[in-house]
Amino acid sequence: KAGVTQTPRYLIKTRGQQVTLSCSPISGHRSVSWYQQTPGQGLQFLFEYFSETQRNKGNFPGRFSGRQFSNSRSEMNVSTLELGDSALYLCASSLGGETHKTQYFGPGTRLLVL
Amino acid sequence: QKEVEQDPGPLSVPEGAIVSLNCTYSNSAFQYFMWYRQYSRKGPELLMYTYSSGNKEDGRFTAQVDKSSKYISLFIRDSQPSDSATYLCATSNNDMRFGAGTRLTVKP
Repeated sequence: KAGVTQTPRYLIKTRGQQVTLSCSPISGHRSVSWYQQTPGQGLQFLFEYFSETQRNKGNFPGRFSGRQFSNSRSEMNVSTLELGDSALYLCASSLGGETHKTQYFGPGTRLLVL
Repeated sequence: QKEVEQDPGPLSVPEGAIVSLNCTYSNSAFQYFMWYRQYSRKGPELLMYTYSSGNKEDGRFTAQVDKSSKYISLFIRDSQPSDSATYLCATSNNDMRFGAGTRLTVKP
């Protein structure tokens, strides 16, 4: 079974631009969660989508948004990029019922904001 | 204060050593406790999952949760160079809270 895939793997943007990251979950998984990982703050929860609805949200500004499509694929958008948005963005998929038990991470998208 | 505290290390041990990794957490409402392993340039992978207090063993890995002291541990027996990675503890009720991760190096 194919794992979680994320595209692109690497991205360079400049301040003020916006970016869209994509995540394809494991087949049959209906929940997708997004995380930001930085050396200073570690792994922080952004939001979770289940059946096209945002189910949980972390403490990030409104510049960070996401959506999920009917095939469970998810996108994350960051508008008006800031230097501090440079990070590894990870998505994780799960069957849906108990996210913490069955969560599988993708390889991440490494975003550099210049 | 972070909800989950974890010493980032780095921790270096010789092959065959017993490794002890630890975290503390602040929210007594957390019920689920996980350990993830993350290799360089990869996403985290789930190693162990524990509900509430107690021990769980899987091969060379043992996870312990002490809810009375809000302390979670991962023990690795007979450590191998392939165990070299960053280990992240995590807790959850509805959404996940991660520790900073401990970088472990096992030297041959």
